Amino acid sequence: GNSVTQMEGPVTLSEEAFLTINCTYTATGYPSLFWYVQYPGEGLQLLLKATKADDKGSNKGFEATYRKETTSFHLEKGSVQVSDSAVYFCALSEGNFNKFYFGSGTKLNVKP
Amino acid sequence: NAGVTQTPKFRILKIGQSMTLQCTQDMNHNYMYWYRQDPGMGLKLIYYSVGAGITDKGEVPNGYNVSRSTTEDFPLRLELAAPSQTSVYFCASRPTGGGPQHFGDGTRLSIL
Repeated sequence: GNSVTQMEGPVTLSEEAFLTINCTYTATGYPSLFWYVQYPGEGLQLLLKATKADDKGSNKGFEATYRKETTSFHLEKGSVQVSDSAVYFCALSEGNFNKFYFGSGTKLNVKP
Repeated sequence: NAGVTQTPKFRILKIGQSMTLQCTQDMNHNYMYWYRQDPGMGLKLIYYSVGAGITDKGEVPNGYNVSRSTTEDFPLRLELAAPSQTSVYFCASRPTGGGPQHFGDGTRLSIL
């Protein structure tokens, strides 16, 4: 079946540090991959996506590359800010996009 | 710019009571979803709908019911509330043809 595994948090970094949040997936077909961000008290917002192998999604300084050979979609940012503090979810969807599968989320705390 | 609107934002129920969580979207999306998010966990799909009059079960449908009489609305019904249903509930929608989901701000439900 389909599933997503994320590194456990919380991750605590100082401002301007480099961020990596690991995400690996299991899928029966060729999924699309997503990163969502959730700020306190809010719903999830799409951060970036990639729809096929070797695609790189990017937004607001965040990047993730769809690696089929390692079934991974790690989230990276070169220099985090306090405002990046949130919970980050990795997700995949099946080919027909009817269902989405989410990881358990990784909480990021950025200290000034 | 309403997007996906969920009501109520908070609710406390007694065991055995029933209630309906409302979800409406103004983006003319065919696909709609209900998730629950337990503390420290990812999202679990309860039910989804691919269009008016069509619904299907997700990973954790027991104890819930849904209906989809219009494109805009996708209410979630709890018939006999149980403490295990204490959670944050998110509604989401997406357009036909793929792409990311748009989330509401969630309903925090406590059952005592």
